[in-house]
Formats: sequence, C-alpha cells, structure tokens
Amino acid sequence: EAGVVQSPRYKIIEKKQPVAFWCNPISGHNTLYWYLQNLGQGPELLIRYENEEAVDDSQLPKDRFSAERLKGVDSTLKIQPAELGDSAVYLCASSSRHNPSYNEQFFGPGTRLTVL
Amino acid sequence: GENVEQHPSTLSVQEGDSAVIKCTYSDSASNYFPWYKQELGKRPQLIIDIRSNVGEKKDQRIAVTLNKTAKHFSLHITETQPEDSAVYFCASLLGGSQGNLIFGKGTKLSVKP
Repeated sequence: EAGVVQSPRYKIIEKKQPVAFWCNPISGHNTLYWYLQNLGQGPELLIRYENEEAVDDSQLPKDRFSAERLKGVDSTLKIQPAELGDSAVYLCASSSRHNPSYNEQFFGPGTRLTVL
Repeated sequence: GENVEQHPSTLSVQEGDSAVIKCTYSDSASNYFPWYKQELGKRPQLIIDIRSNVGEKKDQRIAVTLNKTAKHFSLHITETQPEDSAVYFCASLLGGSQGNLIFGKGTKLSVKP
C-alpha cells in the first residue's frame, strides 16, 4: 500500500510570493488533514476534510491560507502571500473510518517551506 | 483551548536502559492517545496507541499506560537501542471532534551506545 504522497518536498520562496503544496492521501482514506510543524514543535492542525468537505478549518489563517479537495481525493494547500513566519514543515495526513484503528492518522513526508 | 503537555523535552539514556516520557491532557472527553516517532527530516510514524477503555497496552519493547482520572499517559521503552533515538510526540484526540489530534511539543530521545 502506497503511503501519503506530498510534493514538493522542499520549497524556497521570497516573501510575498505565492506557494502551493500538494497531497495525495492513501487510497480509500476519506479523511485528510493538513498540519503545520514548526521547528522543535509538534504538528498543529490547520484543516480537516471529510471527503470533499472541510469540516474543521478553525485554525486556518484564512487571510492568506486556502485549501481545496475538489474531488475528495487529492488536496492542495496554498499560501498567498507568504510571510517570513510561514517557514515550517507542512504535513499532510489521512485516515479511514473503515480501518480497524479508525483514528490512526498516516502522515506524509511533509513539505519544508523556507521563506526568505 | 485544550492542550497536551509533554515531559521531558530531552532525554538521554544509555543503550539497554529504559526511557519514560509523560504527557498530561486537559480535555476530559479525549478517548484516543497515540504516540508518534519522528526521525530527523522524516514523517511522524505511529508506534503505539491506546484508547480510554484500556489502562495499559504493550508491543514488544514499547508500552503505554493511561490514567484517565489523572489525565496522564506515559510511553515506556525498555532495552533501548541506538535506533530508538528520535523525537517522540504524544497526542490526544479532541473529544467529540472525530479526528482532531492535539500534539505535545515532543521529546528528543538520545540513546548512547
């Protein structure tokens, strides 16, 4: 079974530029999560999707961040414009209610963003 | 808001010794508590989890204990090996959220050969 795939793995941009991250969850996983992980910290949830519906986006800074999961599979997270403080690792995870351990979240390798 | 506190932030042990990491959560409705291991530059990976209807769970050298009354849960690693060196994160599932994990800040474990 292929794991969660994310791209790009690394991205360096200048401040005020836009950036987008892509995630492909494990096949059949209906729930998709985007997390932000700052250096030396635990992941923090940005948004959670159930199929194509964003069921919790309360922690997403909506002035500059947006996300979509149009067909309930792949997802894109966008930042526009990026700020210096956005430098972090952006993790995608997925889970399935049909798994015996239905709460288990499987993480992708993350995208390390550096804003100069 | 709800939070998870994790201690210690760093832990250094000799190979073969035991390591214990402790977490405290605030949401009394939490019912699922996973532990993730993250090696440098890699993805977090689940190593063990426990649900609120169980007080202890063991998988080879790794065990987790849960005290719901005190809202504490702990990770125990016995017979540590150098490959156990990593950052370990505890988390709790926000009650009623059906998916929102709240993570601790992590413990960097170093196992010296």
